[in-house]
Amino acid sequence: DAGVIQSPRHEVTEMGQEVTLRCKPISGHNSLFWYRQTMMRGLELLIYFNNNVPIDDSGMPEDRFSAKMPNASFSTLKIQPSEPRDSAVYFCASSTGQGISGNTIYFGEGSWLTVV
Amino acid sequence: KQEVTQIPAALSVPEGENLVLNCSFTDSAIYNLQWFRQDPGKGLTSLLLIQSSQREQTSGRLNASLDKSSGRSTLYIAASQPGDSATYLCAAQNAGNNRKLIWGLGTSLAVNP
Repeated sequence: DAGVIQSPRHEVTEMGQEVTLRCKPISGHNSLFWYRQTMMRGLELLIYFNNNVPIDDSGMPEDRFSAKMPNASFSTLKIQPSEPRDSAVYFCASSTGQGISGNTIYFGEGSWLTVV
Repeated sequence: KQEVTQIPAALSVPEGENLVLNCSFTDSAIYNLQWFRQDPGKGLTSLLLIQSSQREQTSGRLNASLDKSSGRSTLYIAASQPGDSATYLCAAQNAGNNRKLIWGLGTSLAVNP
């Protein structure tokens, strides 16, 4: 399997612009996670889906952030409008099992976002 | 509220040394404890997962232990190699309905040839 695939790998955008990050989970995995990683705060769970349904979005920082999973093989994380403090690495991850079940979690290589 | 701490934040050792990375957590009611490796510019790779009922897990030169009562886990790396250089993160998965992974900030390891 190709693993979790994220795009774009790198994005530089101006403040106020819309940013869309994309993720293709591993085939057969029914849980999908969006994380944000910064030096100061480490890894933070933004939202997770189980069977394409958002289960916990309490980590989404504010209304500027939204995530969708229209089918089992695709998810997006959108930031609109973007701000410099959104600069971070955004990881998508997937696993099997019911919700956060303790199964091994597989990460993509991340989307490196810089908002200037 | 679960908090996960990793000490030290950075570690530099000569090749061949055996070393221990530490992870502590404040709430012993965990479902499991997981160790990950992150290479620069890459995602995280799962190394070892210790269920709450287990005391240790081994994979090759890696051995992870878990002591829930003291809120500690250690990752032991035997005969370290330059290829082991990476950031190692631990994460405690909460028990109960909210099974979030709570992450430490990681230990950045450099193994010098």
